[in-house]
Amino acid sequence: DGGITQSPKYLFRKEGQNVTLSCEQNLNHDAMYWYRQDPGQGLRLIYYSQIVNDFQKGDIAEGYSVSREKKESFPLTVTSAQKNPTAFYLCASSMHREIYNEQFFGPGTRLTVL
Amino acid sequence: GQQLNQSPQSMFIQEGEDVSMNCTSSSIFNTWLWYKQDPGEGPVLLIALYKAGELTSNGRLTAQFGITRKDSFLNISASIPSDVGIYFCAGMEYGNKLVFGAGTILRVKS
Repeated sequence: DGGITQSPKYLFRKEGQNVTLSCEQNLNHDAMYWYRQDPGQGLRLIYYSQIVNDFQKGDIAEGYSVSREKKESFPLTVTSAQKNPTAFYLCASSMHREIYNEQFFGPGTRLTVL
Repeated sequence: GQQLNQSPQSMFIQEGEDVSMNCTSSSIFNTWLWYKQDPGEGPVLLIALYKAGELTSNGRLTAQFGITRKDSFLNISASIPSDVGIYFCAGMEYGNKLVFGAGTILRVKS
């Protein structure tokens, strides 16, 4: 089945530790995105990548890092520099074109800092 | 970054009623998207709108791309219990980045 997978579903981390969230897609999409969702708020963009080996900061990139070594993979690392990392993290992908470029989302990873 | 103004924040309606929600922005968008999110899951795309004035349906859902390109509306007809969830609007800006509303929480009385 074509789709976007995120793992793990739930993740617990101690303060001061880095943690990496996985995102894989087999939709042959060019662009991939990471969002953060907090209760009662809309989604906020962390990082995005339109092609392999290239990515740009979103609105809340501080304390996060990404890589895009393969078209189908876009892992997100939450570093110890992120002051409030507990949140629901969503990965999305889309075709990179002028129109008909709607984004499709994975099931999400809930990160809790203990 | 900017956010869209989405209203209402929440709705508690009777099963069978029609539902309306909307999003407004100070910026122009070329694409409007509507998503539904169930608790603990990722958002699912409901409707995509690409042209100002466009009216698009998906089953009991109908959405419109405002003529000014600064707003969009979603209507759900004859609501049923499985319509509960959070509905998000999103406008697409330059570079294919999405700007999201804060969501409308829909609760249905059976």
